[in-house]
Amino acid sequence: EIVLTQSPGTLSLSPGETAALSCRASQSVSNTYLAWYQQKPGQAPRLLIYGASSRATGIPDRFSGSGSGTDFTLTISRLEPEDFAVYYCQQYGSSQGTFGPGTKLEIK
Amino acid sequence: EVQLVQSGAEVKKPGESLKISCKGSGYSFTRYWIAWVRQMPGKGLEWMGVIYPDDSDTRFSPSFQGQVTMSADTSISTAYLQWSSLKASDTAMYYCAREVTLFGADVFENWGQGTMVTVSS
Repeated sequence: EIVLTQSPGTLSLSPGETAALSCRASQSVSNTYLAWYQQKPGQAPRLLIYGASSRATGIPDRFSGSGSGTDFTLTISRLEPEDFAVYYCQQYGSSQGTFGPGTKLEIK
Repeated sequence: EVQLVQSGAEVKKPGESLKISCKGSGYSFTRYWIAWVRQMPGKGLEWMGVIYPDDSDTRFSPSFQGQVTMSADTSISTAYLQWSSLKASDTAMYYCAREVTLFGADVFENWGQGTMVTVSS
């Protein structure tokens, strides 16, 4: 089973700044199968990025994904107040999926 | 509009059985995998498994294999997650999600609102 590690666990930034969230896999992941989700308190997760770098429908271009192999990054530029949430990476290969433990993005 | 509507919160005792539901609408229910995701209180997301409603093919995470049962009733566009004997450690929010393929990527594009299951004596 592929294990995903996310860092940092918590990231404290101010609105207007840029956030870089890391997701590392225990073995190589096809770019096709790496996604990012956002979850706000009391809400279901929301798909942000799929295929490592493609934005889902309705996601602002402030959100971007990059990376390959075992290292992936979610970058959020010009942070807005509504961006402060928990972010999860997810891989899905060989009919098995796993989520990373999440990064909490909080207002500084 | 695609919607997944889950059944309401449940409070059960250890050893009891439970079946929660996820009703899909606004799309062809039989043609998309439905996933179940667990979120224990204050914790992260855990991929439990998926079911293909058309033929009830299922795939489980090793952590959940044998612990839960997934099923679907296509006549009412509803997927189910079932326990035969609940434990306190099953206390969690359970989400269903519709899996779609976007340019070759299998992702969870639509989510239910979640069903909170509390198991306590």
